[in-house]
Amino acid sequence: RKEVEQDPGPFNVPEGATVAFNCTYSNSASQSFFWYRQDCRKEPKLLMSVYSSGNEDGRFTAQLNRASQYISLLIRDSKLSDSATYLCVVMRGSARQLTFGSGTQLTVLP
Amino acid sequence: IAGITQAPTSQILAAGRRMTLRCTQDMRHNAMYWYRQDLGLGLRLIHYSNTAGTTGKGEVPDGYSVSRANTDDFPLTLASAVPSQTSVYFCASRDSGSSTDTQYFGPGTRLTVL
Repeated sequence: RKEVEQDPGPFNVPEGATVAFNCTYSNSASQSFFWYRQDCRKEPKLLMSVYSSGNEDGRFTAQLNRASQYISLLIRDSKLSDSATYLCVVMRGSARQLTFGSGTQLTVLP
Repeated sequence: IAGITQAPTSQILAAGRRMTLRCTQDMRHNAMYWYRQDLGLGLRLIHYSNTAGTTGKGEVPDGYSVSRANTDDFPLTLASAVPSQTSVYFCASRDSGSSTDTQYFGPGTRLTVL
């Protein structure tokens, strides 16, 4: 079993739609949680950190459930520019190393 | 320069050859990392360095070595390349003094081993 599991998609949604991505992680020692965005095999870029209380950044809302070891990302009012691969990421260990999910591909259609 | 640079951008290499991928950051981050990304597998950690002079093994270290002689540079060496090392390689850095734990990635090196 992979340490971080994501639905690979692809998700094809029309502009303006709301889309939700889910992710589960298996290591309860995971300390920090993130969503990264990656465009066309370019470098991953941090979209947002994820906190237990839930956090929002504009159209993006992230949630963490430590008891269920579950992370989610909600994108409201999707834009064409949101088309990318979204990577669920957990951090653990003294090296603060990241473990990545395989990514969920999103295409927003005009 | 600003951020993280990697060189070369891409490389085609014959199996058995030695290759060093370069990574330089100008943010004075203590921690640096090397990942490889393969289709369907996501990014996997190869080696890391918490601070200059120290290194550690990640999830897939075999066939790779690293050194950290100073804060800015973290080269990754393939002593004798094999086709399974064909991948996209990303270097990353993190400010260990920060509370955010954010890792910043370089643009990557696309390596093909024939």
